[in-house]
Amino acid sequence: GDSVTQMEGPVTLSEEAFLTINCTYTATGYPSLFWYVQYPGEGLQLLLKATKADDKGSNKGFEATYRKETTSFHLEKGSVQVSDSAVYFCALMHFGNEKLTFGTGTRLTIIP
Amino acid sequence: SAVISQKPSRDICQRGTSLTIQCQVDSQVTMMFWYRQQPGQSLTLIATANQGSEATYESGFVIDKFPISRPNLTFSTLTVSNMSPEDSSIYLCSVPGTGAGIFTEAFFGQGTRLTVV
Repeated sequence: GDSVTQMEGPVTLSEEAFLTINCTYTATGYPSLFWYVQYPGEGLQLLLKATKADDKGSNKGFEATYRKETTSFHLEKGSVQVSDSAVYFCALMHFGNEKLTFGTGTRLTIIP
Repeated sequence: SAVISQKPSRDICQRGTSLTIQCQVDSQVTMMFWYRQQPGQSLTLIATANQGSEATYESGFVIDKFPISRPNLTFSTLTVSNMSPEDSSIYLCSVPGTGAGIFTEAFFGQGTRLTVV
C-alpha cells in the first residue's frame, strides 16, 4: 500500500537558517502530494501541494517540488522565522480517492 | 473553504467507558473522514462517513469499536467504545474541499485529545 516517510524530528534551527524537511513516498501511479502544517494550538492546514511530476508548490516562502524519479517532495525554506515553529506533515492522495496518507510529522522549532 | 467545529476538544476518560466526538461543518459535504493520531505517530484514517450509507472502515478498525453516525450533510459523530489506554490519541474530523468538482485540499477540525486512564 501507500506510505510516506518523513524526516524524523524534532528539528531546531536558528532564525534565518535554511530549512529542508525530507519526504519520500511509496505509491502506485501518480498521486498528488501535500504539505500540511499544524501551528501550536491550531488545527491542521494546507501549506502547499503539487498534483503532477515536476510541479512546484509554494506558499509563505516554503517550496516543494514533486520529483517522480526520486519519489520525493522535500520541503524547503530559505530563511525561517520564529513563527514557522510548528509540526509539518507530508501526505499523498490519489485522484478520485480523497483519503490522505500521512507521514509521521516533523516538529520544527525556530529559536531567535 | 470549510470551517469544522469539533467537540470536545479534550477529555480524560476511564477505561471501559465510551466517548462520542462530534464534528459540525459549516457547509454541506458528501464525505467526511475520521483520523486518529496516536502519540508520536502519523495520522491514520479510521473510516469514511458518507451521508445515507454505512461508514467504510479501514483495515484494523471495526464498527463495534468505532461506531460512526452521519445523520445529515453537515454533521457526524465518532464513538470510541470500551476504551483502553491504547485508545489515547488525537481524533480528527476532516472534509474534502473542492473547486469545480475537483479535490483541492482537506480541511480539518481542531481535533479531540483523548486520554484514557
